[in-house]
Formats: sequence, C-alpha cells, structure tokens
Amino acid sequence: EDQVTQSPEALRLQEGESSSLNCSYTVSGLRGLFWYRQDPGKGPEFLFTLYSAGEEKEKERLKATLTKKESFLHITAPKPEDSATYLCAVLYRSGNTPLVFGKGTRLSVIA
Amino acid sequence: IAGITQAPTSQILAAGRRMTLRCTQDMRHNAMYWYRQDLGLGLRLIHYSNTAGTTGKGEVPDGYSVSRANTDDFPLTLASAVPSQTSVYFCASSATGADQPQHFGDGTRLSIL
Repeated sequence: EDQVTQSPEALRLQEGESSSLNCSYTVSGLRGLFWYRQDPGKGPEFLFTLYSAGEEKEKERLKATLTKKESFLHITAPKPEDSATYLCAVLYRSGNTPLVFGKGTRLSVIA
Repeated sequence: IAGITQAPTSQILAAGRRMTLRCTQDMRHNAMYWYRQDLGLGLRLIHYSNTAGTTGKGEVPDGYSVSRANTDDFPLTLASAVPSQTSVYFCASSATGADQPQHFGDGTRLSIL
C-alpha cells in the first residue's frame, strides 16, 4: 500500500534556529510531491511541487528537496510567522487516488 | 480575490438529518475534490470530479454523494448524517492534470450529534 510518512509529528524551534522536516514515501513510482502549509482554522496553502530526484525549490526561508525515497523541507532562520502545520502529499503513478497526504508536522517557532 | 468559497463555515447537525456542503470556485479549474480532515488521520479524499458532468470515488466515499452540474460548483451531500461524519471538510480545485497543485478552501467544521 502506498504511504506517506512525515516526521517529526511536532517540532519546536527558537527563532533563527534552522531545521528540516521530512516526508518519506514508498517507492512505487512517484509522479509528483507537493508541500503545503496549513494555519489553524484555514485550508492548506500550496507551497511547492517537486517532480524528480535532485530537484529543489525555494521560497523565502523555505527550501524543498527531493530524493528517490524522501523529501525535505528546510527552514532557514525561521520566524514566529512560520509556525504552522506543514503537509506533504504524493501523487503516485499507479492507483486511483489523486493525492496521498501525510499527517503533517506541527511547527512552532518561539521568539 | 480568486479562490474557493465553502459554506457554511461551521454547522451542528442532528444525526439522521440531510446536509449539503457548498463549494464554489472562480478559477475555472476543471478538477474539484472533497476531503475530510480528522485529528491523527490527516486529509482523506471523499469524492472528486475531473470535469463537469463526471465524478469519482475517493478513499472514504461511503455516506457521501456529490454532483458536478457545472465547472464552478461541487456540492457534497450527507444523506443521513452519523456522528462518525463529524469532521472538518475541505473542498479543493486544480487545473487539468493530476500533477497540478490543488488549491483549498478554508473548510466547513461539521459536528453531528
């Protein structure tokens, strides 16, 4: 069964303390990997799409990378406004489900 | 501002009642989706529509129905609500192509008593 696993479940950082979030997926043919940010009481907000191993995307303090088995969301010098839940979703080549979502990582950045 | 509008934003409903959650998008996206989000389970797909006039079942379709009469609207109906359908429901849309990013509304918080 295709699965998407995010770690850690929760992460608490001091402002300016860089770190990475992980998204691992079963290797059964990746068509695309998506990162979203979700604030409390809001819907997920699209951040990045990665399509092939070695690809990288950047936006402000966030950089997403992709290997054959996992993706990382690197957060450089985070600010309190980066606090949110970050969701990873995978589109597999096989199967009928358009996207398989991970359960997310809750990030808290403390000033 | 372009985007997805969901209504109502929240609702408390008695078990056994019928309820329709509304979703409208103004981005002219062909594909639309309904998810439920539950603590500890993440987002799970209920139903989807790749284009107006067509619908498909997702991971958890039982107890829900959808219709897609036009491009902009994608209502989700609970024919006879049960407490296990208490959840936050999100509607999303995307341009044609499964590898296009989905854009989400802000959800409907539904409690079934």
